[in-house]
Amino acid sequence: AQSVSQHNHHVILSEAASLELGCNYSYGGTVNLFWYVQYPGQHLQLLLKYFSGDPLVKGIKGFEAEFIKSKFSFNLRKPSVQWSDTAEYFCAVNAQSSGNTGKLIFGQGTTLQVKP
Amino acid sequence: EAGVTQFPSHSVIEKGQTVTLRCDPISGHDNLYWYRRVMGKEIKFLLHFVKESKQDESGMPNNRFLAERTGGTYSTLKVQPAELEDSGVYFCASSPLAGGSYEQYFGPGTRLTVT
Repeated sequence: AQSVSQHNHHVILSEAASLELGCNYSYGGTVNLFWYVQYPGQHLQLLLKYFSGDPLVKGIKGFEAEFIKSKFSFNLRKPSVQWSDTAEYFCAVNAQSSGNTGKLIFGQGTTLQVKP
Repeated sequence: EAGVTQFPSHSVIEKGQTVTLRCDPISGHDNLYWYRRVMGKEIKFLLHFVKESKQDESGMPNNRFLAERTGGTYSTLKVQPAELEDSGVYFCASSPLAGGSYEQYFGPGTRLTVT
């Protein structure tokens, strides 16, 4: 069965520190990859996505992610975090199989706490 | 443009009762998805509508859950009778029917507590 694993459940950083959140998935075929974020009291929103092309994708608010096919990974990075980045981050995968309905398989989520 | 809306935002019911959750997708989005997050676990897919048709209901836990999307607009998810393990946050998402485009827009979720 397809699955997504996020390495860290809870991360605490100081402002200006660099961030890398790990995401690995298990599926041998072609995938669409996503990172969603949920800020406190808000709904899930898309940070960035990868469908094809350049494996380094840039999203909103200075986030980027790199798809490494050989490692089945899609890690999220930000060079310098801000207090406003405090949120829960979700990696999600959609498998491009025949009859693909677009359903997303999510990781467990990583809670990021940024200390001012 | 209005986003995906869900009602109610929070529901507390007793075991054995019935609850109906509602989702209004973004206007014009034919694809509608339901997901659920049980506390401490990952967000899990429940089912997918294209217009009024169920395309994939492989994630529905059991026959106590019934989803409908009459007329292809809003959707309801009924839990009858509710059990303690049904507690969690129920998310709805929608996306336009476009080839290769699978970005989903999420609603705020309904937090269901079964006591």
